[in-house]
Amino acid sequence: EPEVTQTPSHQVTQMGQEVILRCVPISNHLYFYWYRQILGQKVEFLVSFYNNEISEKSEIFDDQFSVERPDGSNFTLKIRSTKLEDSAMYFCASSKGTGGTGELFFGEGSRLTVL
Amino acid sequence: GDSVTQMEGPVTLSEEAFLTINCTYTATGYPSLFWYVQYPGEGLQLLLKATKADDKGSNKGFEATYRKETTSFHLEKGSVQVSDSAVYFCALRNPNYTGANSKLTFGKGITLSVRP
Repeated sequence: EPEVTQTPSHQVTQMGQEVILRCVPISNHLYFYWYRQILGQKVEFLVSFYNNEISEKSEIFDDQFSVERPDGSNFTLKIRSTKLEDSAMYFCASSKGTGGTGELFFGEGSRLTVL
Repeated sequence: GDSVTQMEGPVTLSEEAFLTINCTYTATGYPSLFWYVQYPGEGLQLLLKATKADDKGSNKGFEATYRKETTSFHLEKGSVQVSDSAVYFCALRNPNYTGANSKLTFGKGITLSVRP
């Protein structure tokens, strides 16, 4: 069964360093998302991406964050200069279509620890 | 804005016990409602969904009914198994939004542990 894959599963980095989290969405999906979950808190929407551009982003997704689909298969989330509060589990998701009823397929998550 | 509230956890039950996990929501219009589950070491998986009032979603013995009058979507299972131990997330998606703006809004999640 097709699945969304994420790498790395866990990354530890120093504050101020750049981090890139990678995702390979399901191949025939067109819509891509990043969510994050800080330990003990809600899963929060970060950004959605369609047709090679950001469709929507949350207040969390500030100038330190960027997304890219560099080669038609990978979908990356970059954090330019990590802060302690960026420590979280980051989930990538993809879907075939939009609207209110479609299913999002999630990856297993990438745990980011900022020291 | 849209929001989802789940009961506080964690929840620990014995095998074959009855499970209820409460979920209420606040949203404009008529959102679709979802339960996602995350088993240990795995990603979020859709468990069930309901797209309109009075719809009942069901899967793997779990059920949830979309109650517009109480803005609730409580998850139930008549007899839990050890293999049901996981984190359960209630979520909504608002079809008022078009394009990729129809993001999921999640609750906090609740950890269920089932003892043999």
